[in-house]
Amino acid sequence: DVKVTQSSRYLVKRTGEKVFLECVQDMDHENMFWYRQDPGLGLRLIYFSYDVKMKEKGDIPEGYSVSREKKERFSLILESASTNQTSMYLCASDSGAGGPWGYTFGSGTRLTVV
Amino acid sequence: AQTVTQSQPEMSVQEAETVTLSCTYDTSESDYYLFWYKQPPSRQMILVIRQEAYKQQNATENRFSVNFQKAAKSFSLKISDSQLGDAAMYFCAYRSEFNQGAQKLVFGQGTRLTINP
Repeated sequence: DVKVTQSSRYLVKRTGEKVFLECVQDMDHENMFWYRQDPGLGLRLIYFSYDVKMKEKGDIPEGYSVSREKKERFSLILESASTNQTSMYLCASDSGAGGPWGYTFGSGTRLTVV
Repeated sequence: AQTVTQSQPEMSVQEAETVTLSCTYDTSESDYYLFWYKQPPSRQMILVIRQEAYKQQNATENRFSVNFQKAAKSFSLKISDSQLGDAAMYFCAYRSEFNQGAQKLVFGQGTRLTINP
């Protein structure tokens, strides 16, 4: 089975800190995604990557950046964390083959910014 | 841009009964895929069922089935013989057949399902 691993299940950071959320997948998937999950808003796409060093903005990229130096790893960076970035962050990947195949998700990182 | 709407923030059902979760979507495309994901308290998103828009037959996976109405842009999930393990947040999602780069999933707001013993 494809596995998507997020390095932290819970994180607490201070306002203004630089925060790195790491995601690793082990099935050579082309595409990787970062979503943010908030109650009543569902999952909103922050950034995605369809190849190494390639990235595109999603629907809510403000305040975030990403890095994909290796195919298996996709990092989400909060340059200067703010309290409104307190949320659940979900990483996902897929093969890029298209079709009726959904994503494989990580188990999420719950980030609290104080 | 495509949008997905789940109008029921919360639903509850008695164990062993049937419940239907609603989902509507907006798109101008004719080819796409629709999904229902389940997120239990463990937070691990699990794909429950999928539907290809070009297929008229509704998808079924054991106790889970969908009612896909393409003209109405409606994609509801029916859970039969509800079990305690079905308690979770359920998300409806849309994926275009044609996207440059990566094919993104667009999610609804989610419906929290409670199963009463």
